[in-house]
Amino acid sequence: QKEVEQNSGPLSVPEGAIASLNCTYSDRVSQSFFWYRQYSGKSPELIMSIYSNGDKEDGRFTAQLNKASQYVSLLIRDSQPSDSATYLCAVPQYTGRRALTFGSGTRLQVQP
Amino acid sequence: SAVISQKPSRDICQRGTSLTIQCQVDSQVTMMFWYRQQPGQSLTLIATANQGSEATYESGFVIDKFPISRPNLTFSTLTVSNMSPEDSSIYLCSVERREAGDTQYFGPGTRLTVL
Repeated sequence: QKEVEQNSGPLSVPEGAIASLNCTYSDRVSQSFFWYRQYSGKSPELIMSIYSNGDKEDGRFTAQLNKASQYVSLLIRDSQPSDSATYLCAVPQYTGRRALTFGSGTRLQVQP
Repeated sequence: SAVISQKPSRDICQRGTSLTIQCQVDSQVTMMFWYRQQPGQSLTLIATANQGSEATYESGFVIDKFPISRPNLTFSTLTVSNMSPEDSSIYLCSVERREAGDTQYFGPGTRLTVL
């Protein structure tokens, strides 16, 4: 069983700042990584997926993957109060199995 | 993405009863999963719903407690049997579509409270 670790937070940043969310995983052979956003009382919403080392940008979001160090991060530029949510890192359970193992989530608070 | 609906969206049930949750997808999908999210916790996989065969359960979850059906490629049900207050959670179905790689999308969830 893979382990996915995240700081639970809360991570508090001022509006307009960069929020940096980190995730580490235990299985060196993991190939795909996902970031979900979950607002209170809502279901998880996919933000980013990343498969290769390096950065992947989508609007204000950038996912960074470093397989050698076994971490994946999510940067949110120009943070807005509407970004306040819990961010979940997820990794497929193991090679060939597509169910996800989730981290505990990091709660982000963007202060106006 | 996929349009996923779940019924009911929420329910309050008495101890010892059972509740069946439905998950409907707007198009055929390869994989369907059922997760549980207990209050203040992250998501835990209950089982993979296999079309035409028995579901694959994760450690700690058994068919007698959480029977699952998947009669076709767009629909699945999860039953929470003989409920206790510890079963109070949000139950989420998710789907994976091959054309989207291995990306999973979640339904809106069913919030269950057991008294």
